[in-house]
Order: sequence, then C-alpha cells, then structure tokens
Amino acid sequence: AQTVTQSQPEMSVQEAETVTLSCTYDTSENNYYLFWYKQPPSRQMILVIRQEAYKQQNATENRFSVNFQKAAKSFSLKISDSQLGDTAMYFCALHNYGQNFVFGPGTRLSVLP
Amino acid sequence: EAGVVQSPRYKIIEKKQPVAFWCNPISGHNTLYWYLQNLGQGPELLIRYENEEAVDDSQLPKDRFSAERLKGVDSTLKIQPAELGDSAVYLCASSLHGTGEYEQYFGPGTRLTVT
Repeated sequence: AQTVTQSQPEMSVQEAETVTLSCTYDTSENNYYLFWYKQPPSRQMILVIRQEAYKQQNATENRFSVNFQKAAKSFSLKISDSQLGDTAMYFCALHNYGQNFVFGPGTRLSVLP
Repeated sequence: EAGVVQSPRYKIIEKKQPVAFWCNPISGHNTLYWYLQNLGQGPELLIRYENEEAVDDSQLPKDRFSAERLKGVDSTLKIQPAELGDSAVYLCASSLHGTGEYEQYFGPGTRLTVT
C-alpha cells in the first residue's frame, strides 16, 4: 500500500526567511512521481513542484526546491524568501504510474509579517 | 485555457435530501477524479475515470453515492440520501493520460453542508 506522511501539522516562518516542510512516503514501486500542492485559504489547489523518481537531480521552481532522498523515501520542500502569499496548506502527494494519487494530511504554513 | 469548472460552489441541504455536483474538466483531459476533502485534511479519492470508464471506484460508498461520465467529458457526482457526515468539500480534478507525467489540475470544489 502507498502512504504519505507529513509530520508537521502546522509551521510558521517570518517573511523573507526560509522554511522546510517534511514529507515521507512508502511505495513498493521503483518508478513514480512526487508532488507538492498548495491550497491557499478558500482557494483551489495548485501544483507547486514535481519530481520524477528516476531523476537524481532535485527539482526547483523559482523560490521552491525539493530535497529528494529516494533511499530514505523522503521528499521535503524548501521555500526560500517566504512571502505572505505563501500562507496555505501544503500537501505532499505520491503517484505511481497508472494508479491513483495519494495525498498526505497536509502542513498548514503561516508566513508572518 | 479554461481550468476545471465545478458547480455549484456551495450547497446547503437537509439530511436525507439528494444533491448533485457537476464537473467539467480541462479540454482534452481524459482522466477525471472526484475527491472528498474534510476540513484540515488531504483529498481522498472517491472515483477515477479514464474516458467514460470508472477504473477505480473502490472508495465510493455505493449505497448512497453514484457518479457518471457519459460522454467522457463532464461528470456528475450524486449523493442520495445525504447524511450529516457528508459535509465536506468535493473536489474534481483532471489530468492527461492518467499518468504521473501530467499533474492533476483541480477545480475550486463544492462545499457541501448537510444540516
């Protein structure tokens, strides 16, 4: 069975600082994708970043980057230069080819002015 | 490009009443997902369609929930009769080919309140 765990229910960070959100997962597959989704308050979920398991290089998207440790089944998200608009729920998700997406319980991030 | 469209955005009904949600995915996306999201939690899959076929409905409570995607485009999710515990946000998402290579795009959701 596939599982995704996010051990930090809530986090806060000062504006312009850096924060790291943790995610661990379990799957028996070797090829899969990992995602971080952002859900702002009362707004729809959008993709932040994705990582293909067969790629060793960590994905980056502007201020967002991941630390993908395949052997440890860890997939953390680093947000640099945090902005007030980064305040949201962040969900880690796992997807094996041809199967369903599995989401973690989420981390509520608050960026403080 | 238009995103995933859902309606209604909000619905309040009394328990035991029926309710239906509608979703129009992004044009060309063959895979459609319905999720249930409780407050402060991650989405949980209810049903996944590949074109017209429901390829995974194992988590759909079939005694009261039903779904259809007749022409492989838009989809309807129905609850009859609704229970208090059905109060949640119902999310629709779509993707191309149903593989991880193409991420899911989510709609704004329908917030259901059952009184």
